[in-house]
Amino acid sequence: KQEVTQIPAALSVPEGENLVLNCSFTDSAIYNLQWFRQDPGKGLTSLLLIQSSQREQTSGRLNASLDKSSGRSTLYIAASQPGDSATYLCAVVGNEKLTFGTGTRLTIIP
Amino acid sequence: NAGVTQTPKFRVLKTGQSMTLLCAQDMNHEYMYWYRQDPGMGLRLIHYSVGEGTTAKGEVPDGYNVSRLKKQNFLLGLESAAPSQTSVYFCATTLEGRGSNQPQHFGDGTRLSIL
Repeated sequence: KQEVTQIPAALSVPEGENLVLNCSFTDSAIYNLQWFRQDPGKGLTSLLLIQSSQREQTSGRLNASLDKSSGRSTLYIAASQPGDSATYLCAVVGNEKLTFGTGTRLTIIP
Repeated sequence: NAGVTQTPKFRVLKTGQSMTLLCAQDMNHEYMYWYRQDPGMGLRLIHYSVGEGTTAKGEVPDGYNVSRLKKQNFLLGLESAAPSQTSVYFCATTLEGRGSNQPQHFGDGTRLSIL
């Protein structure tokens, strides 16, 4: 059974810092990995999707990497802003379904 | 462009009552999913559908039923609500299934409390 872990559960950093969020998974037989953002009381918004054949994806200040062999992905956020405060979740796709991690709650301190 | 719309947004039920949650999408996506989100447990898949007229069980299907009579709608039913079903329910859609480069799109959720 696929298990997805995100550590730490919560993270606070001053505005302007670069930061890395971590995601690990136990079964490397995945089709893709997705990073989502969830604001309080809202649904999930897809940030980046990395297919299993890719190593990384970039969108603006966000860069996600994938190492299938080690079962790890990282989400790098450059020059953090207060608006980046949210919960970030990673999810891996195996067969028809996504398996989610429990998320990292990020707080950017102005 | 509504995307994924969930109805209702909030609901309080008494134990034993029944209700149906509606998910409607206007993106012509084939795949639809129902998740529940509980503190410390992340999102868990309840049921999903790979196309009109199809349904399949996810990780936590017990106590729930689903129907996909129309491509744009995916209904989640609770026949006899239990306090353990208190949760936030999310619907999601995607154009294709596994191996796709298309992300999942989520609704804003239904917050359900069972007393």
